[in-house]
Amino acid sequence: AQSVSQHNHHVILSEAASLELGCNYSYGGTVNLFWYVQYPGQHLQLLLKYFSGDPLVKGIKGFEAEFIKSKFSFNLRKPSVQWSDTAEYFCALRGYSSASKIIFGSGTRLSIRP
Amino acid sequence: ETGVTQSPTHLIKTRGQQVTLRCSSQSGHNTVSWYQQALGQGPQFIFQYYREEENGRGNFPPRFSGLQFPNYSSELNVNALELDDSALYLCASSPGGTGNTEAFFGQGTRLTVV
Repeated sequence: AQSVSQHNHHVILSEAASLELGCNYSYGGTVNLFWYVQYPGQHLQLLLKYFSGDPLVKGIKGFEAEFIKSKFSFNLRKPSVQWSDTAEYFCALRGYSSASKIIFGSGTRLSIRP
Repeated sequence: ETGVTQSPTHLIKTRGQQVTLRCSSQSGHNTVSWYQQALGQGPQFIFQYYREEENGRGNFPPRFSGLQFPNYSSELNVNALELDDSALYLCASSPGGTGNTEAFFGQGTRLTVV
């Protein structure tokens, strides 16, 4: 079965704390992996993506993610969060074929206390 | 801004009615996909169009249908609306060809069925 699991539904942190959001996937083949962010009232934006190569991927706004193939994981990290990081975060995958849909996780709501 | 525009932004319909949502893809993108995002959940794939042909469909009933036009813009039509159809509908465009591409999302249409 093709799926993406995000284990943390709601994470609450103080400013300057470190962040790690978990993501595990199930897919029978080669995948591309993504993290999207949805700020309140805004559209989905791409934070970072992994297609191939270096499994440590750096994205916008200081975010990074590590692809660990043996663990089917693609966790998102940020060393020091800011109040403006308050948003919903979605992990997603897409297979290689031209007809591939994007499969999203259920999302993690991140709340940052100022 | 992603260059993907959706209209209308908000819509209220009565159960049993029909609705048409529209999406203009980013310039140069020949693939458009539609997603339904219920409150508190991740986006769910409805279907995808590539060069005016449907080339992928998720687990949605036939009353969800679509079109893609020669300029690659797209419509999502939903007949016989049900209360559970209330959701944010997202359109995404990508260059197509393979799944090895990034998708760019519009801001969505918030549909409320009463």
